Amino acid sequence: DAGVTQSPTHLIKTRGQHVTLRCSPISGHKSVSWYQQVLGQGPQFIFQYYEKEERGRGNFPDRFSARQFPNYSSELNVNALLLGDSALYLCASSLGQALTYNEQFFGPGTRLTVL
Amino acid sequence: AQTVTQSQPEMSVQEAETVTLSCTYDTSESDYYLFWYKQPPSRQMILVIRQEAYKQQNATENRFSVNFQKAAKSFSLKISDSQLGDAAMYFCAYRSAAPGGGADGLTFGKGTHLIIQP
Repeated sequence: DAGVTQSPTHLIKTRGQHVTLRCSPISGHKSVSWYQQVLGQGPQFIFQYYEKEERGRGNFPDRFSARQFPNYSSELNVNALLLGDSALYLCASSLGQALTYNEQFFGPGTRLTVL
Repeated sequence: AQTVTQSQPEMSVQEAETVTLSCTYDTSESDYYLFWYKQPPSRQMILVIRQEAYKQQNATENRFSVNFQKAAKSFSLKISDSQLGDAAMYFCAYRSAAPGGGADGLTFGKGTHLIIQP
């Protein structure tokens, strides 16, 4: 089975532009989470989606938004890009939100550079 | 809010030797999960080991084991018989085990860069 896939691999944008990052979860996984990893830091939680609904949100401005599609793939959108948005954006999928633990499987990430 | 602290930005160990990576965390919750993730230069985050806070027994996965000290809020990772393929960034992470707490995602430390010397 294919793992979590993300596209594009790399992306260069200029300040003020908008960007869309895409994630396809592992087949059968219904939950997708997004993380931002700035160079030299650990990942920071942005969003979690389960069954197409936002279930959790980290401390990020409203310029960040996401959605999940009926096939459980997801998009992360960032508006009005700032230099500080330059980072590796990681997507993670899991079977689903439940009372018990569900392991998160990470994708390879999208490297976003804002000039 | 929970915090995770990794005080060792970089560690170096000889191949075949043992190394211990440190992690401390702060939480007011009694039930949670702790993790160690490995991120090689390929960038893909890989789960190394998981510990449930309600379990007193330390988790072990082959050459990887943890020392979980709940009262001290300490969670260290021991890698035995270090191999060249172990070279990577290692991140300690926390997740609430409260109902719906998983929706808050994982809280990561800043990471420790592990160098394996041949």
